[in-house]
Amino acid sequence: EDKVVQSPLSLVVHEGDTVTLNCSYEVTNFRSLLWYKQEKKAPTFLFMLTSSGIEKKSGRLSSILDKKELFSILNITATQTGDSAVYLCAVEGSGAGSYQLTFGKGTKLSVIP
Amino acid sequence: DSGVTQTPKHLITATGQRVTLRCSPRSGDLSVYWYQQSLDQGLQFLIQYYNGEERAKGNILERFSAQQFPDLHSELNLSSLELGDSALYFCASSATGGGTEAFFGQGTRLTVV
Repeated sequence: EDKVVQSPLSLVVHEGDTVTLNCSYEVTNFRSLLWYKQEKKAPTFLFMLTSSGIEKKSGRLSSILDKKELFSILNITATQTGDSAVYLCAVEGSGAGSYQLTFGKGTKLSVIP
Repeated sequence: DSGVTQTPKHLITATGQRVTLRCSPRSGDLSVYWYQQSLDQGLQFLIQYYNGEERAKGNILERFSAQQFPDLHSELNLSSLELGDSALYFCASSATGGGTEAFFGQGTRLTVV
């Protein structure tokens, strides 16, 4: 069965700080790793990574995948209060017999002014 | 706005009842996924349809069923409801059967009393 573990479970930082969120996984037939941001309701897509060592970047957010060590990190620099959310990591694999996304429980980030 | 539409937004019903949740995917997307999110379990994959056919099945109870219609909208039917079925139910869609990012609707909050 595919498994995704995120750490830390929650994090409180001050505006301007840089944070690193971790995601490790065990998956059969890895296809992709995705990061989502969930504020109030729907998770919104941030990044999809399929290749090891290639950084994806969008503004102050960036992410990288290490397929050898089976983990990914999501970095947020110069954090703002609007970054407060739950960040979800999901891995697409076929551990349950068909390809599906398995989500971690998320990291709750709180950014205080 | 992700382009995925779910109705209704909220639903309150009694134990033992049956409800239907509806999802319209983004224009052009062929895959629809259903997820259940409860406080202690995180996002749990239920089922995926691709172009009208069931593609993958996750932790979906036998009391639950889904289908995707020729116009690609999908319905999730939940029957013999129990208190523990209270959760946020998300629909997501993607362009293909996998390997691409999925976009989430705003969810249906189901409360079973």
